[in-house]
Amino acid sequence: KAGVTQTPRYLIKTRGQQVTLSCSPISGHRSVSWYQQTPGQGLQFLFEYFSETQRNKGNFPGRFSGRQFSNSRSEMNVSTLELGDSALYLCASSLGDAGGDEQYFGPGTRLTVT
Amino acid sequence: AQTVTQSQPEMSVQEAETVTLSCTYDTSESDYYLFWYKQPPSRQMILVIRQEAYKQQNATENRFSVNFQKAAKSFSLKISDSQLGDAAMYFCASLLRYGGSQGNLIFGKGTKLSVKP
Repeated sequence: KAGVTQTPRYLIKTRGQQVTLSCSPISGHRSVSWYQQTPGQGLQFLFEYFSETQRNKGNFPGRFSGRQFSNSRSEMNVSTLELGDSALYLCASSLGDAGGDEQYFGPGTRLTVT
Repeated sequence: AQTVTQSQPEMSVQEAETVTLSCTYDTSESDYYLFWYKQPPSRQMILVIRQEAYKQQNATENRFSVNFQKAAKSFSLKISDSQLGDAAMYFCASLLRYGGSQGNLIFGKGTKLSVKP
């Protein structure tokens, strides 16, 4: 079974621009969660989508948004990029039917904001 | 609020030896899960082991086992017969169960494990 895939793997953007990251979950998984990883703040939860609905949200500004499509693929968008948005963005998929499902992570998208 | 604390920023172990990574957590909830994830230099997060809070039996996965002390809110990871491929950042994480909701993983800051040949 194919794992979680994320595209692109690397991205360089300029402050003020916007960016869209994509995540394709493991086949059969309906939940996709997004995390931001930085050296200073560590791993922080952004949001979770299940069956095209945002089911859970972390403490990030409204510039961070996401969506999920009917095939469970998810996109994350960051508008008006700031230098502090430079991070590794990880998505994780799980079955999502019951709490506590194992979350399987993708390889991440490394975003650099200059 | 949930918190997860890993008090050892770095650890080192000799190949074939055993090492234990510490983790403590804090939650007022009774229904939760605990995980250990491994992140090698490739940055790919890999699930190592999972523990359900309502289960008293400690989880094991081959060379990896946990010591789950619910009353003390402690969840340590023991790696036996350490191998060079075990070198990585190890993250302890907790996950609350909200009925059918997935909740979200709360991670510790990580422990960097080095394995010496």
